[in-house]
Amino acid sequence: DAGVIQSPRHEVTEMGQEVTLRCKPISGHNSLFWYRQTMMRGLELLIYFNNNVPIDDSGMPEDRFSAKMPNASFSTLKIQPSEPRDSAVYFCASSHGEKPQHFGDGTRLSIL
Amino acid sequence: AQTVTQSQPEMSVQEAETVTLSCTYDTSESDYYLFWYKQPPSRQMILVIRQEAYKQQNATENRFSVNFQKAAKSFSLKISDSQLGDAAMYFCAYRSAQGSNYKLTFGKGTLLTVNP
Repeated sequence: DAGVIQSPRHEVTEMGQEVTLRCKPISGHNSLFWYRQTMMRGLELLIYFNNNVPIDDSGMPEDRFSAKMPNASFSTLKIQPSEPRDSAVYFCASSHGEKPQHFGDGTRLSIL
Repeated sequence: AQTVTQSQPEMSVQEAETVTLSCTYDTSESDYYLFWYKQPPSRQMILVIRQEAYKQQNATENRFSVNFQKAAKSFSLKISDSQLGDAAMYFCAYRSAQGSNYKLTFGKGTLLTVNP
C-alpha cells in the first residue's frame, strides 16, 4: 500500500512568492492533518480535516496560510505571500477514525 | 490545553544496552492516547508504540516498551538491546479520545545517539 504522498520533497523560493504544498492521503483514510516542524517550536498542528471538512484550523498562523481538501484523495497547503519565517518542514498525515496517524515524508520549505 | 514535556533534549546509549526516554504530559481528560514516534535523519515520522489511557497494561512492541503511570502523567519509552538503527529523534505525543478532534500534541523531542 502506498503511504501518504507529499510533493514537492524540497522547495526553495524567494520571499513574496506563492508556495503550494500537496498531499495525497492513504486511500480510505478520512482524516487529514497538516503539521509544521521547526527547531524553535517543534511539531505543531496547522489544520485538521475530517471527511474533507476543516475541523480545527486554530494552528494556522495567519491569513497568508490557507488549506483546502477538495476531495478525499487530495489536499493543498498554500502560503501567499511567503516569508523567510515560514521556512520549515511541513508534514501531512492521515488516519482512519481513531487509528494512529501515518505521516508523509514531509516537504522541506526554504524561503530566501 | 494539553501539553507534552520531554525533559531530555539528548540521550546516548551503547549498542546492545537499554535506554529510557522520559515524557510527561498535562491534561484534565481521563481518556486519551499516548504515542511515541521516531524520526530518523531521513525525516520520516514512524510510529513506534501506542498506549490507550484506559488500559493499565503497558504496551510493548518487540524491543520497545513503555512505562505508563497515569496518576503521575508519565509515559516513558524503554528501548532494549539498542541497535545502531535506533538512532533518531523520538517524539512523545498526546491525543484526546473525546469528541472527534484527533490532532496530536507533540513534545519537543529527544535526540538518541547509539554508540557502537
